[in-house]
Amino acid sequence: NAGVTQTPKFQVLKTGQSMTLQCAQDMNHEYMSWYRQDPGMGLRLIHYSVGAGITDQGEVPNGYNVSRSTTEDFPLRLLSAAPSQTSVYFCASSFSLNRGAYSNEQYFGPGTRLTVT
Amino acid sequence: GIQVEQSPPDLILQEGANSTLRCNFSDSVNNLQWFHQNPWGQLINLFYIPSGTKQNGRLSATTVATERYSLLYISSSQTTDSGVYFCAVEKETSGSRLTFGEGTQLTVNP
Repeated sequence: NAGVTQTPKFQVLKTGQSMTLQCAQDMNHEYMSWYRQDPGMGLRLIHYSVGAGITDQGEVPNGYNVSRSTTEDFPLRLLSAAPSQTSVYFCASSFSLNRGAYSNEQYFGPGTRLTVT
Repeated sequence: GIQVEQSPPDLILQEGANSTLRCNFSDSVNNLQWFHQNPWGQLINLFYIPSGTKQNGRLSATTVATERYSLLYISSSQTTDSGVYFCAVEKETSGSRLTFGEGTQLTVNP
């Protein structure tokens, strides 16, 4: 298993540009989440999904859009990038049923470092 | 929302020393996880421990849910233990909406 993969690893945008951060998981997890991490801080939840076709907002959703058309993929879209969105973005997945037991551990991708100038 | 406080914010150890990291949370939770963020930024899940005690090699964790705290013990620390340790909690069980503390920055010197 590749686990949780994210692309790109690094990205520089100009203010006002849009882009999509890709996230995929191959662990058959139902739940997927996007977090951002700013310097010296913990992670904050942007959006999350409890299954294909179902998404909801987290703590800091403004300026971001998500969709979940398949169980495996959960892209994060920046609609009009702003310098305040400079951050490291982590995708995570959790919740699977394996041999009759639920697993609620969350697994993280390697992150995307985004700079908005 | 739930507040998560971790202490100490910074910890410097000599290799071989033991340490205890603490996580306090403001409400009852059904999901508590400890993560290690290595110097390259990767987040590794250490423990899923909403209650009770678990051990994995030199690391162990205890959560006292009724008193709303969790402890992470690192014994015989190694330089590879350096990084930031995060505690994260959720009222539900899913793990999809974790609230993170600000972390403990651990530096282990040779």
